[in-house]
Amino acid sequence: ETGVTQSPTHLIKTRGQQVTLRCSSQSGHNTVSWYQQALGQGPQFIFQYYREEENGRGNFPPRFSGLQFPNYSSELNVNALELDDSALYLCASSPGLVSSTDTQYFGPGTRLTVL
Amino acid sequence: DAKTTQPPSMDCAEGRAANLPCNHSTISGNEYVYWYRQIHSQGPQYIIHGLKNNETNEMASLIITEDRKSSTLILPHATLRDTAVYYCIVRVATSYSGYALNFGKGTSLLVTP
Repeated sequence: ETGVTQSPTHLIKTRGQQVTLRCSSQSGHNTVSWYQQALGQGPQFIFQYYREEENGRGNFPPRFSGLQFPNYSSELNVNALELDDSALYLCASSPGLVSSTDTQYFGPGTRLTVL
Repeated sequence: DAKTTQPPSMDCAEGRAANLPCNHSTISGNEYVYWYRQIHSQGPQYIIHGLKNNETNEMASLIITEDRKSSTLILPHATLRDTAVYYCIVRVATSYSGYALNFGKGTSLLVTP
């Protein structure tokens, strides 16, 4: 167990709807990263938050947005859902950005299905 | 960004050592190599990481060649529970201070009885 939790476990939405996924970081970790994993593929980096500020973004459109709260928990929001957004969404927390060997620890993921 | 190349699949008999190779020929001098594994539909699990020296922990050993262009993850006594997809990763910078994990497709390891 990594101490990283995500909710909900599973979610079904329809095209055009909006969704919010939640992540609680491991205690003492101030950095959270979100990844999308389509079926049969490796996880793809969406964005990273450090101390409530976005600290980098992958190749995802603006309808993917996020928040990090003062307690370092985080949300991933996706607007105008498309069928291709169906995936496992993973969050990973890490202690901080200072160390060049900072290790990311993953939660169990949220399985999103868009119909 | 440095990329990694891994065989798509491997088999290993239970109790034997599993040796998973990875090529990262474009890695730069200060980039670490990370290994994660993912058991079906679970979150990736951190295994080990290294820069240029060989590393060992309770899960595995990591052997990095002297030129750092390739590495091998060794599971010394594979069990059925080690069946998973194994990812060899070189991180990419997200900003001046952050890093993201650049996952490829990994190696699907099947441990057989």
